[in-house]
Amino acid sequence: GENVEQHPSTLSVQEGDSAVIKCTYSDSASNYFPWYKQELGKGPQLIIDIRSNVGEKKDQRIAVTLNKTAKHFSLHITETQPEDSAVYFCAASRDTGTASKLTFGTGTRLQVTL
Amino acid sequence: GAVVSQHPSWVICKSGTSVKIECRSLDFQATTMFWYRQFPKQSLMLMATSNEGSKATYEQGVEKDKFLINHASLTLSTLTVTSAHPEDSSFYICSPPGTAGVGYTFGSGTRLTVV
Repeated sequence: GENVEQHPSTLSVQEGDSAVIKCTYSDSASNYFPWYKQELGKGPQLIIDIRSNVGEKKDQRIAVTLNKTAKHFSLHITETQPEDSAVYFCAASRDTGTASKLTFGTGTRLQVTL
Repeated sequence: GAVVSQHPSWVICKSGTSVKIECRSLDFQATTMFWYRQFPKQSLMLMATSNEGSKATYEQGVEKDKFLINHASLTLSTLTVTSAHPEDSSFYICSPPGTAGVGYTFGSGTRLTVV
């Protein structure tokens, strides 16, 4: 089955700096890679996703890059703000259009300090 | 799209009792629903997949008789934790499977505390 590793487990940055979270996956058939933000006591919220036919995707301050050959993908947050503080999870799946299961990374606790 | 409403948001129960968690799809018909469990400071672990009109599919190591899953209609999936014990205390989250162009979404989660 799929195995997703995520680093770092904790990340502290100053407001305005950039944050980068990296994930690797094992199943070369995986083709859908979402990123989730989870605040304390809440369910995960999808913040950005990328499919294997694309190398990079950007949405305002958030970007995701994918290297299929190396089987790794990264989340980049620029101009970080205190409200970006949360736990971030990467995930991978074979998006077959049916009930494809997501495999999650172990999470990164991001702390944005003033 | 793919909005789900999960209730209750938190529940405290005594050991040995049962607790039911509901997940309702608000703007779509859900033939399938994933149920996850998340222990503090850990990742989400898939417990089972409910299927409308048929039996749920459980992941390896998840007790079928303890975690009863029912998919009664195209808008309602439920998870019942039977004979709850303190080690069942966790955050339970439902999620409908994604579709092309729409990412996987999640319910708001249920914090279960067994005392």
